[in-house]
Amino acid sequence: GAVVSQHPSRVICKSGTSVKIECRSLDFQATTMFWYRQFPKQSLMLMATSNEGSKATYEQGVEKDKFLINHASLTLSTLTVTSAHPEDSSFYICSARDLRGAGTDTQYFGPGTRLTVL
Amino acid sequence: DQQVKQNSPSLSVQEGRISILNCDYTNSMFDYFLWYKKYPAEGPTFLISISSIKDKNEDGRFTVFLNKSAKHLSLHIVPSQPGDSAVYFCAARAEPNTDKLIFGTGTRLQVFP
Repeated sequence: GAVVSQHPSRVICKSGTSVKIECRSLDFQATTMFWYRQFPKQSLMLMATSNEGSKATYEQGVEKDKFLINHASLTLSTLTVTSAHPEDSSFYICSARDLRGAGTDTQYFGPGTRLTVL
Repeated sequence: DQQVKQNSPSLSVQEGRISILNCDYTNSMFDYFLWYKKYPAEGPTFLISISSIKDKNEDGRFTVFLNKSAKHLSLHIVPSQPGDSAVYFCAARAEPNTDKLIFGTGTRLQVFP
């Protein structure tokens, strides 16, 4: 089956530093990847849609300059949390849409990255 | 505002019996709904979906029911198995012809022997 990996799975950083999270589709190509954030006891909230070769589309209320997204290839999207603060501590999860897929069912999720900002 | 709600954070069911997970939504324009299953340390995996033009979709032990007038859907698992123990997320397609999803908060199902 389709596999999406995320790296790192867990990261702890100091306030003010930047953290990069990678999302890779291992056995399929993805023109579109999605980045979600989940706070404790809350639902996955879509942050942005990452399109290969073009700018990401951010959801309302998500700061573009704080959450930098780069989708440089058909198998890799990165999310960089710049100047991280404790309130950015959350679970970040990506999904990738299989290029061959025709609908919403063909989104595959990564295992997530737990970010803790001290 | 939470547009997709799963009001039961947890559910415990005996093996062999039926598990019923519920989901409510507020936007009558939602036209496609999905259920995802998530094990610890893994990403959600797609389970079953239903279009708003249907009221039922069945796949093996899993059946999803949609009641549009009540803006309510449910996932039935029968018979429940210990391997079904996981967190189940209900999701709605945010806009037609897109992949953008709005998720509920999840229900943790535990199936005990």
